[in-house]
Amino acid sequence: QVQLVQSGAEVKKPGASVKVSCKTSGYTFTDYGIKWVRQAPGQGPEWMGWISAYNGGIHYAQKFQGRLTMTTDTSTSTAYMELRSLTSEDTAVYFCARGTAWVGVYDPWGQGTLVTVSS
Amino acid sequence: EIVLTQSPGTLSLSPGESTTLSCRASQSVTNNFLAWYQQKPGQAPKLLISGASSRRTGIPNRFSGSGSGTDFTLTISRLEPEDFAVYFCQQYVTLPETFGQGTKVEIK
Repeated sequence: QVQLVQSGAEVKKPGASVKVSCKTSGYTFTDYGIKWVRQAPGQGPEWMGWISAYNGGIHYAQKFQGRLTMTTDTSTSTAYMELRSLTSEDTAVYFCARGTAWVGVYDPWGQGTLVTVSS
Repeated sequence: EIVLTQSPGTLSLSPGESTTLSCRASQSVTNNFLAWYQQKPGQAPKLLISGASSRRTGIPNRFSGSGSGTDFTLTISRLEPEDFAVYFCQQYVTLPETFGQGTKVEIK
């Protein structure tokens, strides 16, 4: 079955960077893209961006431009999301999800990675 | 940006009851590019419905979606114990993709 397995929880200090991995299995990685969203406690998910695993095409949410980088490694069917210059407002659960295109549904999702930013 | 507003914020219901959740968009969701997700505590959201009314394979038929334009609904008929969760709507008409703030369906 299709699975997305994310790396474990992270605790970072303000100003640091975090890199979350999303290892996929059960489907042809390059036939889809990977979406990244984050979810603060009690809130709906917030779209961060999308990357095509086929050709590396990328769309980032404007609010993260300049401090967000998404990449893929087709040899290991893994996607990565790196967020820099962290502040306490970046504390959230970060999810990856499979997506067919730069707009579309999220199906399925990874289990989530809690990133806590605290001094 | 398309803003999605869900109502009500919380529903307190008993197993066996039926309910309707609302999702209203700030502008038209063309082609009915609207999805519904279910999220349980500590878990990732799970896709229930896409295209406003198409159930994902394996989703029970007690879940149904309807609507068009700016007004969409998710109906859950005869709530089962496993249906108590938070439900989100999402539009995929255009970037940025956006989600509603969620409706919590809790046990009364």
